[in-house]
Amino acid sequence: EVQLLESGGGLVQPGGSLRLSCALSGFAFENYPIDWVRQAPGKGLEWVSAISGSAGGTYYADSVKGRFTISRDNSKGTVYLQMNSLRVEDTAVYFCAKQGEMATMWSYIDSWGQGIRVTVSS
Amino acid sequence: EVVMTQSPATLSVSPGDRATLSCRASQSLRNNLAWYQQKPGQAPRLLIYDASARATGIPARFSGSGSGTEFTLTISSLQSEDFAVYYCQQYNHWPLTFGPGTKVDIK
Repeated sequence: EVQLLESGGGLVQPGGSLRLSCALSGFAFENYPIDWVRQAPGKGLEWVSAISGSAGGTYYADSVKGRFTISRDNSKGTVYLQMNSLRVEDTAVYFCAKQGEMATMWSYIDSWGQGIRVTVSS
Repeated sequence: EVVMTQSPATLSVSPGDRATLSCRASQSLRNNLAWYQQKPGQAPRLLIYDASARATGIPARFSGSGSGTEFTLTISSLQSEDFAVYYCQQYNHWPLTFGPGTKVDIK
């Protein structure tokens, strides 16, 4: 069974940092791109970042570029999202998500984690 | 960035009725479009990918159609568990973008 399990969320002050982790299991994770998608309270889904299976490619939404860094350690089956210079508008539930196709960097998302809450507030 | 729009914002439907949800893209997507269902407090669930292919385990009452810039999700006979928010998402262009969602509620 494919599983993605996020951890590391919480409450942080504006300007602070958090590192989210996503533990992957149940599939050949080194072959698949992994994304982070967030959902602000009462709002829709916003793609945040993605990393290729080999970690050779990383991609960011303009809203987080220069502040967030995505990485992965395939030996541990884990993807990370380092979030620096956090803003109030980064408050959201962050989902770790597995893309459905191996052969391309951009495809649909076929599996999601349960989500982890990040609150940026003073 | 490809802008996705969905209509209507809210659709009130009686159980057993047919629901038709629309999604429009600002650029051609060929057939690189997915539909997701999200219930309160849960992660989204993939329903349809490649515009019309049902994901594993998705009931046949869910169907997708369209290509280019106009897409439709049809739920042929709404069941109680289908009342939720539905999002479309394009993956033809970077960055991935989602529509704002259509909430399907009970009439």
